[in-house]
Amino acid sequence: EAGVAQSPRYKIIEKRQSVAFWCNPISGHATLYWYQQILGQGPKLLIQFQNNGVVDDSQLPKDRFSAERLKGVDSTLKIQPAKLEDSAVYLCASSLDISGQVYGYTFGSGTRLTVV
Amino acid sequence: SQQGEEDPQALSIQEGENATMNCSYKTSINNLQWYRQNSGRGLVHLILIRSNEREKHSGRLRVTLDTSKKSSSLLITASRAADTASYFCATDQAGTALIFGKGTTLSVSS
Repeated sequence: EAGVAQSPRYKIIEKRQSVAFWCNPISGHATLYWYQQILGQGPKLLIQFQNNGVVDDSQLPKDRFSAERLKGVDSTLKIQPAKLEDSAVYLCASSLDISGQVYGYTFGSGTRLTVV
Repeated sequence: SQQGEEDPQALSIQEGENATMNCSYKTSINNLQWYRQNSGRGLVHLILIRSNEREKHSGRLRVTLDTSKKSSSLLITASRAADTASYFCATDQAGTALIFGKGTTLSVSS
């Protein structure tokens, strides 16, 4: 089966600019996650979707970050305006069920964002 | 918030040796999972152990879970250079997304 697709692979922007990341999960996976991974740390959950509804966005900095999942399939994560501390790898993952209790999560390769 | 804490932060061994990584967590869990991340790549699911299980095996991997001590260990036997990666434990409570630890960086030299 095809994996989780993410684009772009790398992005360099100046602070205060905006940026968007795209994710296409595995077909049939109802749950989609966006994680932020700062260098040297573990992934931190930003938002979790179940189909096209938000389950948990408690750690999403809503003053600058937004995310949507159109028709319960693809998802887009946007940052506007970006800050230097947003430099990180943004990982998209999907699972058949909430918490990945059957087969775990499948991650994409991530988008490495550098804010200068 | 960080639920799991891996120990050690970094581990260097020779090919053929065993590697053991530990994970401690703070609150009761539903499941505990281990993931591997090669440099510059996404995470790959290795193994899942449920809160009512004590030990699980998958190939060269052995995971134990002690819910009374809120800890888990991942043993990789007969390590290979290809096992060089970061390893993360992740936990969930019923219905919640996974919370990851900071990871253990394993280096296997030939």
